[in-house]
Amino acid sequence: DTEVTQTPKHLVMGMTNKKSLKCEQHMGHRAMYWYKQKAKKPPELMFVYSYEKLSINESVPSRFSPECPNSSLLNLHLHALQPEDSALYLCASSQSVTDTQYFGPGTRLTVL
Amino acid sequence: GDSVTQMEGPVTLSEEAFLTINCTYTATGYPSLFWYVQYPGEGLQLLLKATKADDKGSNKGFEATYRKETTSFHLEKGSVQVSDSAVYFCALRWGAQKLVFGQGTRLTINP
Repeated sequence: DTEVTQTPKHLVMGMTNKKSLKCEQHMGHRAMYWYKQKAKKPPELMFVYSYEKLSINESVPSRFSPECPNSSLLNLHLHALQPEDSALYLCASSQSVTDTQYFGPGTRLTVL
Repeated sequence: GDSVTQMEGPVTLSEEAFLTINCTYTATGYPSLFWYVQYPGEGLQLLLKATKADDKGSNKGFEATYRKETTSFHLEKGSVQVSDSAVYFCALRWGAQKLVFGQGTRLTINP
């Protein structure tokens, strides 16, 4: 089983809202990732967690705040987003940071 | 730095045609190579991978061989179906470095 789940599937929010994206995996993977994908582009890495600790932040604005409460769960907290932040947000996981990454279905975010 | 170059799309074929999507890479180490597929409105799915030179990855009728001498990992399928219509991403990863994607190739199969 290589399933990564993400909720919600779609999210519409205003620029003053606070919302969270959730990602879950039950494969025992110890590395989890957030990516942002704009239309007709490849995914861009945002954050990497390894053993529940943030190991990479690709200079992402502070209006995006990741959290890894346990080894199966990864959240992305959103606050004061801009319309240009509208995109598909993908979560991925891997056994370790050197192993194959498996992606979730994504959350389609629209910022009004 | 490491990079991946894919053939320009979009690619349009008829059902049962032979498919090749070219992928070449530049890397300083010995990367693993991947093909991911993204169907409309969905996330990325791992299609196949190869971890060392001359390895062949295969899945669902798709194949790709890791060619170190030509730094290539071309994706092939002998007979495509309408359901293969998607965007295909070639990618590489060396050790704990981040996954490096090509720009993606949009494939449309007409019945």
